[in-house]
Amino acid sequence: EAQVTQNPRYLITVTGKKLTVTCSQNMNHEYMSWYRQDPGLGLRQIYYSMNVEVTDKGDVPEGYKVSRKEKRNFPLILESPSPNQTSLYFCASSFQYNQPQHFGDGTRLSIL
Amino acid sequence: AQTVTQSQPEMSVQEAETVTLSCTYDTSESDYYLFWYKQPPSRQMILVIRQEAYKQQNATENRFSVNFQKAAKSFSLKISDSQLGDAAMYFCAYNYGQNFVFGPGTRLSVLP
Repeated sequence: EAQVTQNPRYLITVTGKKLTVTCSQNMNHEYMSWYRQDPGLGLRQIYYSMNVEVTDKGDVPEGYKVSRKEKRNFPLILESPSPNQTSLYFCASSFQYNQPQHFGDGTRLSIL
Repeated sequence: AQTVTQSQPEMSVQEAETVTLSCTYDTSESDYYLFWYKQPPSRQMILVIRQEAYKQQNATENRFSVNFQKAAKSFSLKISDSQLGDAAMYFCAYNYGQNFVFGPGTRLSVLP
């Protein structure tokens, strides 16, 4: 089954404790992207990647890191999480950037 | 920076009736893509419809159709014969290059 898998689905953690949200897709997609969703703001793009070892900043990259060492994986790293990063996070992928994206099920992240 | 506006935070429609969700965007580009995504309470992001800006013909997908007015930078979604399963948050999204910008969303309720 074609899918984008994010883990964990839910996470409660504390300020400053490094965390990684994993994202994996099994569709051989070139393009992958991370978003955060906040009430009243919709989804905002954090980082995206056109291919292996090619990543770039979206609209809200501060406080986040990503890597794309393999085509299928695109982890999101919060090295020193803060409460303002409490949000719902989505990973998405597509063959090309202008194609419809397949989204993961989301990660609800709470930082205390 | 590009922006996407959805001026209706909430809307409701009677089952079997027609409803139109509005979306406007701001861009200086001529070649871009527009999407409508649906997010039901399960929080999955589901593609509804995609429009290529260089195509004048409005996209349709079963009961869903768009009214794309390029000069006015307007991209409204019409849902015909509304069903209970259409109840969801609807997001309009603009894509140029590798960047995606989403609107704040419209929450649609379907009344039996």
